Amino acid sequence: AQKVTQAQTEISVVEKEDVTLDCVYETRDTTYYLFWYKQPPSGELVFLIRRNSFDEQNEISGRYSWNFQKSTSSFNFTITASQVVDSAVYFCALKETHSSGNTPLVFGKGTRLSVIA
Amino acid sequence: GAGVSQTPSNKVTEKGKYVELRCDPISGHTALYWYRQSLGQGPEFLIYFQGTGAADDSGLPNDRFFAVRPEGSVSTLKIQRTERGDSAVYLCASSLKSSGSTYNEQFFGPGTRLTVL
Repeated sequence: AQKVTQAQTEISVVEKEDVTLDCVYETRDTTYYLFWYKQPPSGELVFLIRRNSFDEQNEISGRYSWNFQKSTSSFNFTITASQVVDSAVYFCALKETHSSGNTPLVFGKGTRLSVIA
Repeated sequence: GAGVSQTPSNKVTEKGKYVELRCDPISGHTALYWYRQSLGQGPEFLIYFQGTGAADDSGLPNDRFFAVRPEGSVSTLKIQRTERGDSAVYLCASSLKSSGSTYNEQFFGPGTRLTVL
C-alpha cells in the first residue's frame, strides 16, 4: 500500500529562520515519483518539485532545497531564510508508476507553515 | 494557454440535493483526475479517466458519487442526495496520456468548494 506521512501538522517560525518540512513515504514500487506542492490561502495547488526514485541527488532552487533519502524513505523540504510569503500549507505526494502509466497522486495531510514577521 | 478550469468556484446546497461540478481540462490532455480535499486534509483521489472511460474509480466513496466524460474532454462529477460530510473542495487535474512508466505532470484546477448545509 502507498502512503505519505507528514508528521508536522503546523509549524510556526520567525521570518529569516530556516525551516524543514518532513515527509516519509511507503511504497512497494521500485519506480515512483515524489512531489512537493504549496497551497497558499487562495487555495490553488502550486507545483514545487518532482523527484524520480532513481535520482537521489539533492536539489536546490533558490531558497528551497530538497533532501531525498531512499534508505529512510524520506523526502524532506527545507526553506532557507523564510519569508512571510512562504506561509502556506505544503503537501508531499507520491505517484507510483505501474505499467499502465497514469496513476493518481497520493498526498500527505500537509504541514501548515506560518512565517511571522 | 489556458489551464484547467472548474465551475462553479463555490457551490452551496442543502442536504439531500443533487449537485454537478464541472471540469474543463487543458486542451489535448487525455487523462483527467478528480480529487477531494476535506478541511485540514490533503487531496484524496476519487476517479481517473483516460479518454472517455473511467480507468480507475476506486476512490469514489459510495454510489452517490458518479462522474462522466462523454466526449473525452469536459468531465462532470455528480453527487446525489448530498450529505454534510460531502462538504469539501473538489479538485480536478489533467495530464497527457502516459505510456508505460513515463511521467506526465498533472495540472490542477482551482477547485470547487462545495458546502452542504
